[in-house]
Amino acid sequence: AQRVTQPEKLLSVFKGAPVELKCNYSYSGSPELFWYVQYSRQRLQLLLRHISRESIKGFTADLNKGETSFHLKKPFAQEEDSAMYYCALKGAGGTSYGKLTFGQGTILTVHP
Amino acid sequence: EAGVAQSPRYKIIEKRQSVAFWCNPISGHATLYWYQQILGQGPKLLIQFQNNGVVDDSQLPKDRFSAERLKGVDSTLKIQPAKLEDSAVYLCASSFKLGTGNTEAFFGQGTRLTVV
Repeated sequence: AQRVTQPEKLLSVFKGAPVELKCNYSYSGSPELFWYVQYSRQRLQLLLRHISRESIKGFTADLNKGETSFHLKKPFAQEEDSAMYYCALKGAGGTSYGKLTFGQGTILTVHP
Repeated sequence: EAGVAQSPRYKIIEKRQSVAFWCNPISGHATLYWYQQILGQGPKLLIQFQNNGVVDDSQLPKDRFSAERLKGVDSTLKIQPAKLEDSAVYLCASSFKLGTGNTEAFFGQGTRLTVV
C-alpha cells in the first residue's frame, strides 16, 4: 500500500526565515512525488513535481529514496506563501499504477 | 484552457436523503478522480477512472456511494442514503493520462456537502 505522511499539521515562520515542510512516503517501487498547494479560497493546484527538478516560487524539493522523503524547502519565506501544502504520491506500477495519494497537509503561516 | 468544472458548489441535505455531484474534466483528459476531503484531513481517493473504466475504487463505500463515467467524459458521484459523516468537500480532478510523466492532476473547486 502507498502512504504519505506529513508530520506537521501547522508550521509558523516569520517572513524571511527559511521554511521546510516535511513529507515521508511508503511505497515499494519508484513513485512520482508532487507538492500541491491550496491558497485561501482557491482550488488545489500543483506546486512542483520531483521529475521536473524545478524551482517554483522559490520552493524546491528533492526526492531522497534512501530516507523515503520529499521535503519542500524555501530559503526565505514570504507572506504570500501562507497556504495549505499537500505532499502527494503517484504509484508507478502494479495495482497502484496511477493512483494519486495525498498526505494530511501542512498549514504554513508566514508572519510579517 | 477551461478547468475542471464541478456542480453544485454547495449542498445541504438531511441524513438518509440522496445527493449527486457532477464533474466535467478538462477536455482530452483520460483520467478522472473523485476525492473526499473531510475538514482537517487530506483528500482521500474514492474512485479513479481511466476513460470510462474504473481503475481503483477500493476506498469507495459501495453500500452507499456510486460513480459513473459512461462516455468517458463527464462523471457523477452519488450518495444514497447520506449519513452525517459524509459531510465533506468532494473534489474532482483530471489528468491527461494514467501513468507517470506529464500527469499533473487538475482540480475542480469542489462541492461542499453538509448532511444535517
